[in-house]
Amino acid sequence: EPEVTQTPSHQVTQMGQEVILRCVPISNHLYFYWYRQILGQKVEFLVSFYNNEISEKSEIFDDQFSVERPDGSNFTLKIRSTKLEDSAMYFCASSDLAVLAKNIQYFGAGTRLSVL
Amino acid sequence: QKEVEQNSGPLSVPEGAIASLNCTYSDRGSQSFFWYRQYSGKSPELIMSIYSNGDKEDGRFTAQLNKASQYVSLLIRDSQPSDSATYLCAVNRQRIVYNFNKFYFGSGTKLNVKP
Repeated sequence: EPEVTQTPSHQVTQMGQEVILRCVPISNHLYFYWYRQILGQKVEFLVSFYNNEISEKSEIFDDQFSVERPDGSNFTLKIRSTKLEDSAMYFCASSDLAVLAKNIQYFGAGTRLSVL
Repeated sequence: QKEVEQNSGPLSVPEGAIASLNCTYSDRGSQSFFWYRQYSGKSPELIMSIYSNGDKEDGRFTAQLNKASQYVSLLIRDSQPSDSATYLCAVNRQRIVYNFNKFYFGSGTKLNVKP
């Protein structure tokens, strides 16, 4: 069964360092998303991406964040200068249809980011 | 006002009972509604999707949608200890111009099914 894969499963970094979280969406999907879940809190939308550009981003997704689809398979989230409060689980999701509100998103297993 | 609201629980039910999980949403323009199950430390897993008023059944799960009341619920019949998890309600807001959708998640309801 096709699945969204994320690497690494756990990333430890020092405050102020750059990190890149990687995702391989399901191959025929066209829409890609990043979400964040701080420990014990709810899943929060960060950004959606379609046709090689950002479709929408939340207020969390500030200038420290960027996304890229560098090739035909990977979808990355970069945090330029990590802060302690960036420590969270980051989920990538993808979907193959967003017409008529029938969108179903499939989630990767997540990357746990720990900023020290 | 939160986009999606859920009672955080925990909701405790005995094995074999019906668990009822509720969710309200604020945007009347929302068109898609989803229930995800999330085990501790794991990613959300889709349980049900519902798009029109009424009930939708899938095995032991029934989703109910009432757009007039801006209310969506999930019933789990014959609850099992393996159903113990946090259940996330997600609501889809569509922007037709850009042809994409953004999800809003509730904070989740923790369900405990006691053997």
